[in-house]
Amino acid sequence: ETGVTQSPTHLIKTRGQQVTLRCSSQSGHNTVSWYQQALGQGPQFIFQYYREEENGRGNFPPRFSGLQFPNYSSELNVNALELDDSALYLCASRRGQPLRVDGYTFGSGTRLTVV
Amino acid sequence: QQQVKQSPQSLIVQKGGISIINCAYENTAFDYFPWYQQFPGKGPALLIAIRPDVSEKKEGRFTISFNKSAKQFSLHIMDSQPGDSATYFCAAIRNAGGTSYGKLTFGQGTILTVHP
Repeated sequence: ETGVTQSPTHLIKTRGQQVTLRCSSQSGHNTVSWYQQALGQGPQFIFQYYREEENGRGNFPPRFSGLQFPNYSSELNVNALELDDSALYLCASRRGQPLRVDGYTFGSGTRLTVV
Repeated sequence: QQQVKQSPQSLIVQKGGISIINCAYENTAFDYFPWYQQFPGKGPALLIAIRPDVSEKKEGRFTISFNKSAKQFSLHIMDSQPGDSATYFCAAIRNAGGTSYGKLTFGQGTILTVHP
């Protein structure tokens, strides 16, 4: 068990729709990052939250947004879905500040397909 | 630039052989270099990592070699086993300071197949 649970595991949406992906981290994991992994590619950093505030963002448009909650859960929201948004979305969390990568635990991801 | 380049894209090795995966980076601000292993349907799992002040790190059958001047690092899997068949990603991170700290930059991945 990784300690990071993502839901749903698979999802099919239509272009233009909105989607919310969820991540439940271990107790005490107050840093969470989200990554997008296109088929056959390495994960790409979307953004990071520490203590419910965004403190880092990759090259993704504003229609990608997130929330982190006090109960160590978080959400990734994507508006106006495009076909290129089809990917595996990964959540990674750790205890403490995002200063050391060796404490990160990845979830198994949500496979999003946009048709 | 934040890019990390990884090669080869795929690798086939016989059981007991040595698997070697190479990565190169450009941003000298990176100060931590992890390798991840990913099985189908799973998220990446940290395998081994190295800091640039060390030229080599070994954990069991896995060894990282690091060449700071060339900005290259590699993963060696000794005595490769069929259970090692997975996708391997190198990554780099700036662990402190600046707006990009804590952000992993991944390579493109290497699909390793170990034949019995």
